[in-house]
Amino acid sequence: EPEVTQTPSHQVTQMGQEVILRCVPISNHLYFYWYRQILGQKVEFLVSFYNNEISEKSEIFDDQFSVERPDGSNFTLKIRSTKLEDSAMYFCASSAVRTSTDTQYFGPGTRLTVL
Amino acid sequence: AQSVTQLGSHVSVSEGALVLLRCNYSSSVPPYLFWYVQYPNQGLQLLLKYTSAATLVKGINGFEAEFKKSETSFHLTKPSAHMSDAAEYFCAVRDSGGSNYKLTFGKGTLLTVNP
Repeated sequence: EPEVTQTPSHQVTQMGQEVILRCVPISNHLYFYWYRQILGQKVEFLVSFYNNEISEKSEIFDDQFSVERPDGSNFTLKIRSTKLEDSAMYFCASSAVRTSTDTQYFGPGTRLTVL
Repeated sequence: AQSVTQLGSHVSVSEGALVLLRCNYSSSVPPYLFWYVQYPNQGLQLLLKYTSAATLVKGINGFEAEFKKSETSFHLTKPSAHMSDAAEYFCAVRDSGGSNYKLTFGKGTLLTVNP
C-alpha cells in the first residue's frame, strides 16, 4: 500500500541553525500539507501546497518557514533559523484531490529537537 | 473558528470491553469530521470520516462513530477492545464550505487496553 515517508525520523539541531525536513508524498497525489504537534498540544496545520504554490498557511507559518517541491517526488519544509519553540513533531500529508471530504494521508513524522 | 474537543487525554479499558472515545465539535455549520489513529512510530491513519452521507459511519478495525448534530458530537466506539487497539486517537474537523481544506485536530486520546 502506498504511504507517505519522512526523513529523518529525529533531528536534533542547535538554536539558530537551519533545518530541512523531507517528505515523499504518495506518488499520484497532487496536494501536500505540513502539520506539527508540540509535545502535549494539538496537531496544528502549518501549510498546504499545490502546483508549486502555497495554497493556505497558518499564522504559525511565518517568514522563518518555507516549503518546496524540488523535484517530482520530494516535498520539503525548511526552517531558516530554528528557535526552541520549534521543537515539535512535524507531519507531512498528501491527498489526491482537494475537496472537503478527501482523505489526507500522513507520514510517520519527524521529531525536531532544538537545543 | 471551528474546533474539536476530545474529553479524556487517556482512556484505559480491559480487553473485550467497550471502547468509547469522545469528540465534540464547535462549528456554525455541520462540518466534516474525521477520526485518525496513530500507532507507535507510525503516521496518522484514517479510521473513518463523516461526510454527511450517513450519520453512523463504520470504519476500519471494527470502529464506528455516530454524528449527532443535536449534541455536536462524533464519538468513536468499538464494542470489544483488542490489545492491538492500543494507540493514540485524534478527532479532526474540516469546514463543509469554502476553500478551507485544512484539518483542525483535537489533542488526542491515548487508549490503553489491559489484558
